[in-house]
Formats: sequence, structure tokens, C-alpha cells
Amino acid sequence: QQQVKQSPQSLIVQKGGISIINCAYENTAFDYFPWYQQFPGKGPALLIAIRPDVSEKKEGRFTISFNKSAKQFSLHIMDSQPGDSATYFCAASKAAGNKLTFGGGTRVLVKP
Amino acid sequence: DGGITQSPKYLFRKEGQNVTLSCEQNLNHDAMYWYRQDPGQGLRLIYYSQIVNDFQKGDIAEGYSVSREKKESFPLTVTSAQKNPTAFYLCASSSLNRFTNYGYTFGSGTRLTVV
Repeated sequence: QQQVKQSPQSLIVQKGGISIINCAYENTAFDYFPWYQQFPGKGPALLIAIRPDVSEKKEGRFTISFNKSAKQFSLHIMDSQPGDSATYFCAASKAAGNKLTFGGGTRVLVKP
Repeated sequence: DGGITQSPKYLFRKEGQNVTLSCEQNLNHDAMYWYRQDPGQGLRLIYYSQIVNDFQKGDIAEGYSVSREKKESFPLTVTSAQKNPTAFYLCASSSLNRFTNYGYTFGSGTRLTVV
């Protein structure tokens, strides 16, 4: 059973455009939702995270939007740059330190 | 610098061999995890441990074994019972304190290939 569904699988965006990745979860006990960025051959790195007591969190060009009633959250990458080309994973857990359930990943390609 | 060290970076295994992947962290994290990543796919949990001398199976534990004798170390053994071991293996750690937690810290991975 896939508890966190991520879409799209891949995304191509022009430099300066907006990349949007969506995730939906099933388990209402989840209360920590991080996003990870992974470059080829490297381990994922934490990008930004949100808890359900807020609907939006912004860090630089990266924004998480969270809709608790719909059980959905999304990552927006504003002013996308070629250096943002990577695979992005959403994830969820029942608490910040507990084991994460990951979405399937989205490969983002930013064209110059 | 604090972090997680995985070794080796590349590992080749012959059919029927057991191999052990190393994972060491100096972040003083309580919890450690092993994930498997196949090309173009997400991360699947193999095993995790929240305390020394205790660990739990994840979603795909068959054919793998772990130990947690020290807080800093969480080695993964890929046994001959794992029929399709070729993959990228990622180790991670995290604090269990909700107020000081900053999510998982991942190692740089070990790429295992069966030859």
C-alpha cells in the first residue's frame, strides 16, 4: 500500500519558470512532511519541511503548501534554475523523528 | 564536521556471497535507517533502529540483516537470500526529539552490483 503518492514522475521547466510537485497521503496520523532533494549518485538532502499547524512555509525560492482537509501538500520552486535539476521526494511521518514514508520521486529538469 | 559516512561507495558481490555495508554517524542521533533505491524509483525502508541493541523490520527486510551494537554504527548485511540485491543503498539517521529534530541526515550511499 503506497501511503504517499507523488506526481508527476518527471517535469521539464524553463529557466525562470515555476516547478510544482504534488503529494497526497492517506494516514491522518502523519504530522511531519519534509521534502528532499537528490542529485545523481548522492544521498537525499533535506530541503524544507512543514507541520500541519501551518498551511504554507517558504524558504527562499522553495515553498510548501499544505492542505490538511484534502490530505495533500505540494512543493513550489519559484524562478527555477538549472542547478535545481534533481530528483525531489516528498515524505511523511507520524512525528519528526520517526521513520519516513517516501513518495516515488519527481525528476525535475530545468532547461536554460 | 558531523555527518554520516557510508562505505564502500561501490561494492561488487558474487552470486551466493554475503556482503556488509558500513554506516557510521557522529551526530549523536538515536535513530538510524537503511533504505534501498532502485533506478527511477523511490526509497524503500529495509530496517530501522531507534535504540542500541534493538531494530525493526521495514517494508522489504527479507534477505537483509542488521545489528546495532553501538549508537554510532548500523551495518547492513545483504545475504545470499536476497535475490535481486543490485541497488543503491542509503543509510540515514535522525534525532527522536521533536523540538530539535531536523529530519533525516542521509549518507552518500553505497552502490551494490551483483557480478
